[in-house]
Amino acid sequence: NAGVTQTPKFRILKIGQSMTLQCAQDMNHNYMYWYRQDPGMGLKLIYYSVGAGITDKGEVPNGYNVSRSTTEDFPLRLELAAPSQTSVYFCASSYSNLAVDTQYFGPGTRLTVL
Amino acid sequence: GQQLNQSPQSMFIQEGEDVSMNCTSSSIFNTWLWYKQEPGEGPVLLIALYKAGELTSNGRLTAQFGITRKDSFLNISASIPSDVGIYFCAGQLRSNSGYALNFGKGTSLLVTP
Repeated sequence: NAGVTQTPKFRILKIGQSMTLQCAQDMNHNYMYWYRQDPGMGLKLIYYSVGAGITDKGEVPNGYNVSRSTTEDFPLRLELAAPSQTSVYFCASSYSNLAVDTQYFGPGTRLTVL
Repeated sequence: GQQLNQSPQSMFIQEGEDVSMNCTSSSIFNTWLWYKQEPGEGPVLLIALYKAGELTSNGRLTAQFGITRKDSFLNISASIPSDVGIYFCAGQLRSNSGYALNFGKGTSLLVTP
């Protein structure tokens, strides 16, 4: 299994540009998450999904959108990039059964908005 | 999200020394987890704790879920250079609407040979 994969690894955007961060998992996990990590900080939840077709906001959703058309993929969309969105973005997935939920993280996408 | 206080912020130790770090919260959690992150990588799960009072080991690592459900600690015994990285605690609330992790700010560990 490849686990959780993310593309691209690095990206530089100009203010106002848009882009999609890709995330895929091959573990048949039902839950998927997007986090951002700013320097010296822990990760903060942007959006999450409990299954295909279902998404919900996390702690810091403004400026982002997500979709979950398949179990495997959970792309994160930035419509109008702003310097405040410069961060490292991590996707995670887990299989949740109300007793255990262990999240596995991808390698991250480092995004710079200039 | 819930505010987690993780300490110390950083540690600089010699190989062979033991390490202890902890995490406290103003709110209770159902699960406490400890992750390690190395430069350019995503967090990797080290230990997961599911019951208040639980003490779990993973090799040289030992972690405990505080009895009040508001704190947890991680100990690393006989540290080695490959222990270098940032260690994050995370508290998790289990509910039907998701299992989001609330992260501490991390403890940066440096180990000198």
